Amino acid sequence: AQSVAQPEDQVNVAEGNPLTVKCTYSVSGNPYLFWYVQYPNRGLQFLLKYITGDNLVKGSYGFEAEFNKSQTSFHLKKPSALVSDSALYFCAVRDISVTTDSWGKLQFGAGTQVVVTP
Amino acid sequence: DGGITQSPKYLFRKEGQNVTLSCEQNLNHDAMYWYRQDPGQGLRLIYYSQIVNDFQKGDIAEGYSVSREKKESFPLTVTSAQKNPTAFYLCASSIRDTYNEQFFGPGTRLTVL
Repeated sequence: AQSVAQPEDQVNVAEGNPLTVKCTYSVSGNPYLFWYVQYPNRGLQFLLKYITGDNLVKGSYGFEAEFNKSQTSFHLKKPSALVSDSALYFCAVRDISVTTDSWGKLQFGAGTQVVVTP
Repeated sequence: DGGITQSPKYLFRKEGQNVTLSCEQNLNHDAMYWYRQDPGQGLRLIYYSQIVNDFQKGDIAEGYSVSREKKESFPLTVTSAQKNPTAFYLCASSIRDTYNEQFFGPGTRLTVL
C-alpha cells in the first residue's frame, strides 16, 4: 500500500527566508510524486511533479522539490518565501506498480500549513 | 480551478436527507474523482471513474453514490446512510494515464444541520 507523511502540521517562516515543506513516502514500486497548494475555501492547485529523470524538479511560483530515493523523500522548497505563499500544502504519491484498475489513485498527505510573516 | 465547476459552493442539509453535488468539466478528461477533505486528514478518495458508465469505490465510499452518464459530468450523492457528512468535497479530473496531475474544482462545503 502507498502512503505519504507530512511530519509538520505547520511551518512558520519570515518573508524573504527559505521555505521547506517536508514529505516522505512509502510505495511498493516506483513513485510518481506531486505537490499541490490550497488557499482557503478553494480547490487544490498543482505545483509540480516528479516522474523520472532529474531529481530536482522546478514548478510554479518559484517552487522546486528534490526527489531523494534513498531517503524516500520529496521535500518542497522555495529560496525566498512571500507572504502570499501562506497556504496549505499537500504532497501526494501514486504507486505505478499498482494494478490497472487503480492506476489513477493518488494518496495524499495530511497537509502542512505554511505561515509566512512580513 | 479552471475547467472544472462544482455547485453549489455551500450546501446545507437536514439529517436524513439525500443531497447531490454537481461536478462538470470541459477539459475533455476521461478520468474524474471525488474527494472528501476534513481538517487534519488530507484528502480521502470517495469514488473515481476512468471512463463513461464505469466507476470504482475509493477508500471511503460507504454512504455515497455516483453516476457517470456523460464524460463531462460526475455527480456525487451523499445519502442519509453517511454518518458524518459535514465536510468539504472536492471533484477532480485528469487525463487517463499514470503520470498526469489531477485538476481540481473549487469545492462544495456541505453542512448537516
